[in-house]
Amino acid sequence: EVQLVESGGNSVQPGGSLRLSCVASGFTFSSHSMNWVRQAPGKGLEWVAYIRSESSYIYYADSVRGRFTISRDNDKNTLYLQMNGLRDEDTAMYYCARDTYGEPTGYYDLWGRGTLVTVSS
Amino acid sequence: QSALTQPASVSGSPGQSITISCTGTSSDIGTYNLVSWYQQHPGKAPKLLIFEVNKRPSGVSNRFSGSKSGNTASLRISGLQAEDEGDYYCASYGGTSVVLFGGGTTLTVL
Repeated sequence: EVQLVESGGNSVQPGGSLRLSCVASGFTFSSHSMNWVRQAPGKGLEWVAYIRSESSYIYYADSVRGRFTISRDNDKNTLYLQMNGLRDEDTAMYYCARDTYGEPTGYYDLWGRGTLVTVSS
Repeated sequence: QSALTQPASVSGSPGQSITISCTGTSSDIGTYNLVSWYQQHPGKAPKLLIFEVNKRPSGVSNRFSGSKSGNTASLRISGLQAEDEGDYYCASYGGTSVVLFGGGTTLTVL
């Protein structure tokens, strides 16, 4: 089955760190660019980060640049998001999403179910 | 880069047609034919409905169609059904290697 499964979400205090993972199956993970997209409770979608298939290009939203790091291990079919310096406003459901182009276009044909990150003291 | 602008809510009766607008700028929607639309039901992940302004992925009903004029993209849903109720988001390449989403539109089927 073609799917993405996220994990690693948890409750953490402000200033803390978390690492999210997204395991891909049923397709050639190494051929696809990948993204993290988040959604705060009751709010809209927000693009977080993009990584090209061979990690040659990486881009971030201004809101997370310098605090979050996207990476991937194509041998393990896994996408990661290292989140440091977490803030209250980072509280959200985090989705991994498969891209179709070699650029971050917003065209995501496959999404995971998400993993919840809660930042609170 | 600012988010794209969508109406907060729209509504329609079963069988009717509705249109959801998504307004950007000449730097994003106005320049690139890279607008996508997503449907999201409560507690679920978004589902791709439209890509590249007006293309439908395999399996998406032809009741959903997309278009663009200038800096505004639109999603039209014809023959409204109860199952269409949910949230709808537009997305666009924003130039400078960023992706912009709209704030979302809640569709109510009366």
